Amino acid sequence: DARVTQTPRHKVTEMGQEVTMRCQPILGHNTVFWYRQTMMQGLELLAYFRNRAPLDDSGMPKDRFSAEMPDATLATLKIQPSEPRDSAVYFCASGRTGGYFSPLHFGNGTRLTVT
Amino acid sequence: GENVEQHPSTLSVQEGDSAVIKCTYSDSASNYFPWYKQELGKRPQLIIDIRSNVGEKKDQRIAVTLNKTAKHFSLHITETQPEDSAVYFCAAKGENTGFQKLVFGTGTRLLVSP
Repeated sequence: DARVTQTPRHKVTEMGQEVTMRCQPILGHNTVFWYRQTMMQGLELLAYFRNRAPLDDSGMPKDRFSAEMPDATLATLKIQPSEPRDSAVYFCASGRTGGYFSPLHFGNGTRLTVT
Repeated sequence: GENVEQHPSTLSVQEGDSAVIKCTYSDSASNYFPWYKQELGKRPQLIIDIRSNVGEKKDQRIAVTLNKTAKHFSLHITETQPEDSAVYFCAAKGENTGFQKLVFGTGTRLLVSP
């Protein structure tokens, strides 16, 4: 059963520190999404890649967040410097596009706590 | 861009009752509508989806209906069980400047009491 793998599962850090979250999409999937989930905001789209190219990062605070996909097996989301309001669960999801839209598969998420 | 509204935000039912969650979308070009179930502390998981060329789809106790004219779709769970308790998210595939992305509703917390 192929799964999206996210690391770390949990991260506690102090305000001002850099945080890097990693995602390994399902082999063969060409789209990768980063979502942030808080109690108040539901699932908030941060960034979206297709064939490793960033297509939409309009939901991401540009001054401190950055998302990259250095190769087809790795997507990263970085926060520098981190702030307490960044505390949330960050989900990565992957899927395929083409002639139809395939279901998105979510990873188990990274629970980030910034103190 | 696409906007998805979901109601109700919370829903409490007795075991065995039916539950209905409703969503509306704004982009008439949207053509794919999945539903995800998220149990406490876990990842969202796809439970059922429907494409715009179909009006209804069933899978055992769950069903989804789509009204393209009214731009709304609903999740129906029959004979609810305590293990159905979770947060349910609807989503719609929106079109924006030539690429595709899922836009999620705000979620419905379903509580099934024994």
